[in-house]
Amino acid sequence: AQSVTQLGSHVSVSEGALVLLRCNYSSSVPPYLFWYVQYPNQGLQLLLKYTSAATLVKGINGFEAEFKKSETSFHLTKPSAHMSDAAEYFCAVRRGSTLGRLYFGRGTQLTVWP
Amino acid sequence: DVKVTQSSRYLVKRTGEKVFLECVQDMDHENMFWYRQDPGLGLRLIYFSYDVKMKEKGDIPEGYSVSREKKERFSLILESASTNQTSMYLCASSPSKRESPYNEQFFGPGTRLTVL
Repeated sequence: AQSVTQLGSHVSVSEGALVLLRCNYSSSVPPYLFWYVQYPNQGLQLLLKYTSAATLVKGINGFEAEFKKSETSFHLTKPSAHMSDAAEYFCAVRRGSTLGRLYFGRGTQLTVWP
Repeated sequence: DVKVTQSSRYLVKRTGEKVFLECVQDMDHENMFWYRQDPGLGLRLIYFSYDVKMKEKGDIPEGYSVSREKKERFSLILESASTNQTSMYLCASSPSKRESPYNEQFFGPGTRLTVL
């Protein structure tokens, strides 16, 4: 069963505009949620992760994500896009019952226009 | 600094060849994973391992096998490569969940395999 859904396989924004990448997860208690970024021809790099300490999670490169249990969402945002943010972004979840493995969404390709 | 390395960045093989993809991590992690990544399909788990000589099938194990003889090394084997195995292959490692369920996976740079 699909554990994570990323809405929108491609998102385009202008430099300086708000970035919003959507991720919804299948209800699982407790959810362990992650956002990764992949730059061209590279592996995945962790952006941020939800640890239940706070619903708003700050990550690297100015990104943040808000955990909303009522909406089963963990959307990724950045107030002002930069050209260097162009990459593919993956949301992932670890189910409480499954040791170690992550379930990844299909990814969202972010394009930033000058 | 945490590091996962993969033996090749680019590899070209012919149909029917036996192909070995090697992954090494230097973080003393118990868990290691092999994924393949295809456009529009995201990452799909092929095999994973929780310990030396242990392996578990992922979502798409057909046509692949793995070997983990040492804790730091996890090999993916294509017994007889086929053109539909042309893909990007990513290796990852993570500490055991017993330490924390919030442990992330650390990824290697990937191997882009082309089977002709």
